[in-house]
Amino acid sequence: DAGVIQSPRHEVTEMGQEVTLRCKPISGHDYLFWYRQTMMRGLELLIYFNNNVPIDDSGMPEDRFSAKMPNASFSTLKIQPSEPRDSAVYFCASSQTNQPQHFGDGTRLSIL
Amino acid sequence: DAKTTQPPSMDCAEGRAANLPCNHSTISGNEYVYWYRQIHSQGPQYIIHGLKNNETNEMASLIITEDRKSSTLILPHATLRDTAVYYCIVRVSGNTGKLIFGQGTTLQVKP
Repeated sequence: DAGVIQSPRHEVTEMGQEVTLRCKPISGHDYLFWYRQTMMRGLELLIYFNNNVPIDDSGMPEDRFSAKMPNASFSTLKIQPSEPRDSAVYFCASSQTNQPQHFGDGTRLSIL
Repeated sequence: DAKTTQPPSMDCAEGRAANLPCNHSTISGNEYVYWYRQIHSQGPQYIIHGLKNNETNEMASLIITEDRKSSTLILPHATLRDTAVYYCIVRVSGNTGKLIFGQGTTLQVKP
């Protein structure tokens, strides 16, 4: 079991640039979640998918954020244009129905 | 989902049991108690969950009071590697989506 795999582990970019975060869930898991963690707000759920379909995106902060899941083994979280306040650690997690979520090690994003 | 209250920090001596309390006085009958922990710079890690009976696995034990308004996570023999932030979360069965993380308890295991 390789676990949830996120890439890149670290990303530093200038404001205004497009940022794409990637996630490979655990094989066989039908739920995928994107979280953001900051010192001020802690861990927040941004969006989650079930069977590749977005179910709840009420945590997505604004239209600059978008997430896709084109197939069961891949998801992206995109920020365009990026702003310094988007700096955070972004986590991806996956689970089977009614089972605990398994988290990746996150992407540490810094927007200068 | 019900709200939880945890102490912000605790210390524990290495080799001793660590008992982490959680208050969830507004918990509903169909809500489970989940525990996760987050070691510095890593993603949250699932520990254990339960509904009303006490639970034990290779990592920890979960003791839920009879009225279900509070619970305690027990790490029987804490090691330095157990130093982490521990989150207590209540979640409705079948509500797979929202894990609402609070501030958690920072457990410092000391030699």
